[in-house]
Amino acid sequence: NAGVTQTPKFQVLKTGQSMTLQCAQDMNHNSMYWYRQDPGMGLRLIYYSASEGTTDKGEVPNGYNVSRLNKREFSLRLESAAPSQTSVYFCASSLLTGGLTLGANTEAFFGQGTRLTVV
Amino acid sequence: EDQVTQSPEALRLQEGESSSLNCSYTVSGLRGLFWYRQDPGKGPEFLFTLYSAGEEKEKERLKATLTKKESFLHITAPKPEDSATYLCAVDSGNTPLVFGKGTRLSVIA
Repeated sequence: NAGVTQTPKFQVLKTGQSMTLQCAQDMNHNSMYWYRQDPGMGLRLIYYSASEGTTDKGEVPNGYNVSRLNKREFSLRLESAAPSQTSVYFCASSLLTGGLTLGANTEAFFGQGTRLTVV
Repeated sequence: EDQVTQSPEALRLQEGESSSLNCSYTVSGLRGLFWYRQDPGKGPEFLFTLYSAGEEKEKERLKATLTKKESFLHITAPKPEDSATYLCAVDSGNTPLVFGKGTRLSVIA
């Protein structure tokens, strides 16, 4: 089982360059997420898509855009990369977002991450 | 605003020395509390979900418990392969998971 697949695994960008991080899941999940992880900061939510056709901002959305291409795929775009965007990026998916009832299958499953360096 | 605080930030144990990690949370209404394990250079790996106070879940040397204000991850007789960062997250309903900053566990042989 592939689970959540992210590409690329590593990337170095120059300041001002653009790029798109790709994410695909094969678990038929409705919700998908992009987090960034920085030392001492933990996992912070950038954007999420609760269901196909919807996207919402998370805690740190500035400088990013997202596209929910279909139920399987959720991409993250950096239009003009900045050194502050140097981080490890994780895509995740879950059956649902936010449990309306107990036992609502909201546990998230993560990809292996993309290590991005902006110089 | 939902908040999750994990302690200690780092913990160093001798092999076989049992201990506990703490996750304190403040949420408007807890729908679920989650524990993850993260190895260096890898994505977080799901361990447990707890839904209500008094609930316990076990997996090998790990046992997670939940009260109305905090959760504990008990590690019994740890081995070096248990070394990892352990993350706690909460679901308060209608929003994605909010994570704590993690506890970095090192088990020395």
